[in-house]
Order: sequence, then C-alpha cells, then structure tokens
Amino acid sequence: QVHLQQWGAGLLKPSETLSLTCSIYDGSYIGYYWTWIRQPPGKGLEWIGDIHHGGGTNYNPSLKSRVTISVDTSNFQFSLKLSSVTAADTAMYYCARGRVRCDLWGRGTLVTVSS
Amino acid sequence: QSILTQPPSVSAAPGQMVTISCSGGTSNIGENFVAWYQKFPETAPKLLVYDNDQRPSGIPDRISGSKSGTSATLGITGLQTGDEADYYCGAWDSSLNAYVFGSGTKVTVL
Repeated sequence: QVHLQQWGAGLLKPSETLSLTCSIYDGSYIGYYWTWIRQPPGKGLEWIGDIHHGGGTNYNPSLKSRVTISVDTSNFQFSLKLSSVTAADTAMYYCARGRVRCDLWGRGTLVTVSS
Repeated sequence: QSILTQPPSVSAAPGQMVTISCSGGTSNIGENFVAWYQKFPETAPKLLVYDNDQRPSGIPDRISGSKSGTSATLGITGLQTGDEADYYCGAWDSSLNAYVFGSGTKVTVL
C-alpha cells in the first residue's frame, strides 16, 4: 500500500539550513502535487509549499525567500530545504500527497532550532 | 493570524452534534474547494472532507461538509469521545497563490 516515509535532521542551530526528504513507497508520483506542511508547538497548521510531479512549485509567501522544494523522480522522493532557520521554525514538519486534498501523509519530523 | 477563521472550541455531549464554521473570503473559500482535517496530538492530520462536501473512503457519513459563499461548515453527528481532536479547514487562495488553513477548532466531548 502506498505510503510516505520522511527523514531529516531534527536539531539545528540558528542560521543553519533545514533539510527534509520524503520517499514515496509503492505508489506513483505522477499526476500529484507533493506538499510540505508544518505545525509549531501549540499552534495551527501552516502550509509551506508544494511541487507538481513535473517540477512546478508554489510557496507560502511568508517563507518564499527561504524555501526550496524539489523532486527526485528517479528515486521517488521530494525534499524541503529551509534556509536561515530561527527558533520560530521549530515545528513538526509533515510531507503529504496532494494540494487541495492531502489524502496521504508522512508521520512527521520534529525539527527543533536551538543554540 | 489565519486567513480562514474558525471558532477556537466547540463542545457537546456524546451522541449530540457539533458544527464548526470556517469563514474566509472571495479569493479562497469563495472560489475554491474547501477541505477539512482532523488532527490528534503527535499524529499526522487526517483528511475528513474534500471538495466542500466529499468524504474519502472510510470516513463515516456522520461527518459532513458544506459551503455557502465565503463560508464552510463541518458537521459531526453522533459525537463520540474519539472525536475529541483539533479540526482544520483549508482552501487554496487564488490571490496569494498559496494554500491557507483555518486557525483550528478544538472539539470537546462533555
């Protein structure tokens, strides 16, 4: 059954770059948007951005200057990079399939930014 | 501050019904589909409703969604203790060219 598995560094220092990857298992990446969403502790969901299987991207305007989402079609993976992190970027980060209908989710990666 | 506004909390007794409102604007709810998600602590969100009123396979029909103008509503009937969670609405915003979530609503079963 198709599922998503995500991984990446969970502890960063301020100014470092957050890097997370999400692998797509037992399913196709074709025809879907692939999305990153985060939830800071005690706060609501925040859409970070997405990428279409063809490579087109859209980003949250508030994060756009620091975010890059890319797709590796040969390995069925998509990735998130967020540069110049601060404590405000501490959150649970989720990868998901879909844009207006996220029907498949990774388990989440807790990323903590602390000096 | 979220672009989509939800009440912070709603509550009802077991077996009763709750409704959660999601208020937006022309560029998001007004012209795009609404989705609803259920979120438990330490767990990934779960899609409950998409395209305003459609339920994914496996979501019971005591869950319903509707949309009118620039507002949407999620309804849960036959409330169960397992429904205690946070609920979020979401929609694409054509002006921002980005997806926006509601502020979230905590459902409490009394």
